[in-house]
Amino acid sequence: DTGVSQDPRHKITKRGQNVTFRCDPISEHNRLYWYRQTLGQGPEFLTYFQNEAQLEKSRLLSDRFSAERPKGSFSTLEIQRTEQGDSAMYLCASLTTGGATTEAFFGQGTRLTVV
Amino acid sequence: AQSVTQLDSHVSVSEGTPVLLRCNYSSSYSPSLFWYVQHPNKGLQLLLKYTSAATLVKGINGFEAEFKKSETSFHLTKPSAHMSDAAEYFCVVSYNTDKLIFGTGTRLQVFP
Repeated sequence: DTGVSQDPRHKITKRGQNVTFRCDPISEHNRLYWYRQTLGQGPEFLTYFQNEAQLEKSRLLSDRFSAERPKGSFSTLEIQRTEQGDSAMYLCASLTTGGATTEAFFGQGTRLTVV
Repeated sequence: AQSVTQLDSHVSVSEGTPVLLRCNYSSSYSPSLFWYVQHPNKGLQLLLKYTSAATLVKGINGFEAEFKKSETSFHLTKPSAHMSDAAEYFCVVSYNTDKLIFGTGTRLQVFP
């Protein structure tokens, strides 16, 4: 257990439905990342937060995707009008900045299947 | 653009023989470099990291990596493979504590 928790672990949804995932980072970590990983590929960057500020969004993130980190603690990733191509593992990671570079700790991920 | 290249998508070794997983990064400023391992149905786990201190970095489970600026490489090695090392390995680069950029991964198979 890395200390980063994601919920749910698995989600099956019908095409066109909205889904929301939650990530609880390690409590003292100010930075939070979202990644997407499809089978046989490396994780692809989606977006990241410094405290509550969203600093960068990947061009992979279409308008159907939105992420928040309202109080600089947990974060949510919402996908609206899901498509089959959204099926993937969604990973969350956190780390603390300032001082020596530290490693990112990853959660177990949320596996999304769109049917 | 910032990037990292893992030169081998698959590596197969016999148990007890050395492991070499290759990684090259795009040259820009001073990178932080990491190797992560992902076992089937498990989360990503950090093996080791380079953050501009010693160029030879030792990690968990007997793995180590050497940062070579002249070659822009950060290859992962282990003197003797164990069956439990079979997994997917990712080389990761970060600049100025920005986002982490993953390579495409190397699947390590270990044969008895």
